[in-house]
Amino acid sequence: NAGVTQTPKFRVLKTGQSMTLLCAQDMNHEYMYWYRQDPGMGLRLIHYSVGEGTTAKGEVPDGYNVSRLKKQNFLLGLESAAPSQTSVYFCASSWGTFAEAFFGQGTRLTVV
Amino acid sequence: KQEVTQIPAALSVPEGENLVLNCSFTDSAIYNLQWFRQDPGKGLTSLLLIQSSQREQTSGRLNASLDKSSGRSTLYIAASQPGDSATYLCAVDNYGQNFVFGPGTRLSVLP
Repeated sequence: NAGVTQTPKFRVLKTGQSMTLLCAQDMNHEYMYWYRQDPGMGLRLIHYSVGEGTTAKGEVPDGYNVSRLKKQNFLLGLESAAPSQTSVYFCASSWGTFAEAFFGQGTRLTVV
Repeated sequence: KQEVTQIPAALSVPEGENLVLNCSFTDSAIYNLQWFRQDPGKGLTSLLLIQSSQREQTSGRLNASLDKSSGRSTLYIAASQPGDSATYLCAVDNYGQNFVFGPGTRLSVLP
């Protein structure tokens, strides 16, 4: 049982480059989330989705876009990477309200 | 806006001690509260989930309590072991849509 899988695990980007982070879950969860974790800032919500085809902004959405075309996948896109987006990105999923959240292992992104 | 704080920021105890980690939140209108463990360079592992209607949850040596009206939760770890060393995060379900996290408590259990 894979749970929540993030791809890639590590990436180095140059300023201005674009990339997509993939999150896949095999638990048939409705809700999926993207967080970033920075030293001294804790985990902050970027975007989330409450079902296939839906997305919503979280606390720090600027500079990111997301898509949820399939229930099991939640993609996070950076159109023009900036050094301020250097962070560890975590994806999570859950059944929704009243439910436990499951996290992926993280993607460590460095923008130079 | 929901805000979550955790005290202490760091804690170091000798092996075998019982300890309590604290979590506070500003808006009591939560659906649930979850405690996580994070090892260095790793993802988050769920430890306990307490629904808003519950007062506590137990799993092995871990016991989490919730006092929604006062905006507080505690995580009690009995007979601590070096393997318990990690960062412990609490998170509250924000109106059933997402989770708001505290900054974490970094725990070191010394052999």
